[in-house]
Amino acid sequence: QSVLTQPPSVSAAPGQKVTISCSGSSFNIGNNYVSWYQRLPGTAPRLLIYENNKRPSGIPDRFSGSKSGTSATLGITGLQTGDEADYYCGTWDSSLSAGVFGGGTKLTVL
Amino acid sequence: QLQLQESGPGLVKPSETLSLTCIVSGDSISNNSYFWGWIRQPPGKGLEWIGIILYSGITYYNPSLKSRVTISVDTSNNQFSLKLSSVTATDTAVYYCARFRRSYWWFGPWGQGTLVTVSS
Repeated sequence: QSVLTQPPSVSAAPGQKVTISCSGSSFNIGNNYVSWYQRLPGTAPRLLIYENNKRPSGIPDRFSGSKSGTSATLGITGLQTGDEADYYCGTWDSSLSAGVFGGGTKLTVL
Repeated sequence: QLQLQESGPGLVKPSETLSLTCIVSGDSISNNSYFWGWIRQPPGKGLEWIGIILYSGITYYNPSLKSRVTISVDTSNNQFSLKLSSVTATDTAVYYCARFRRSYWWFGPWGQGTLVTVSS
């Protein structure tokens, strides 16, 4: 059971928007930066969003991140079939003195 | 361009020690702004944070693995290593190494990953 809670799956049609939630506590999300990772089938995870809402170079602005209190959200607009992947949130947990990931969310673009 | 590459045996026997090395190119492992870390993903499961190390040797480990994990750094060869002792089938996973931003808590970039199977 993961420290951070994500929905197991989400789905939407091409061109639509989807959001993926990540819920934690004051020990982790509430007081630390959140990052998001995309793992396309058969590939290594890649950094999608860092420091709550920043995008690395090369990541399209269709991807966005936000944080409020002890929850964070990944948003993806203009969905494409190539966005089908597993998405993970991550942060630091001050009570564990270790990093933590969410359980992952599988995105299906119908 | 920063690149990380994992290397090590793909098959380990139960009760033995899993050993992997991550070779870093394109950045100095002595960069004070970054830790260097290990993450794994068992088949069909999610990502699991294993641990991180700073060039000075400071480490942080996942409490659930702490008793079996050792991460070390070799600054002269710009690489770092993972040892996981007393492995069982549940340690079968793809193991990734990655750079970890100090104080901001994100991993990037990641190595391509290496599958380690625990089986006799």
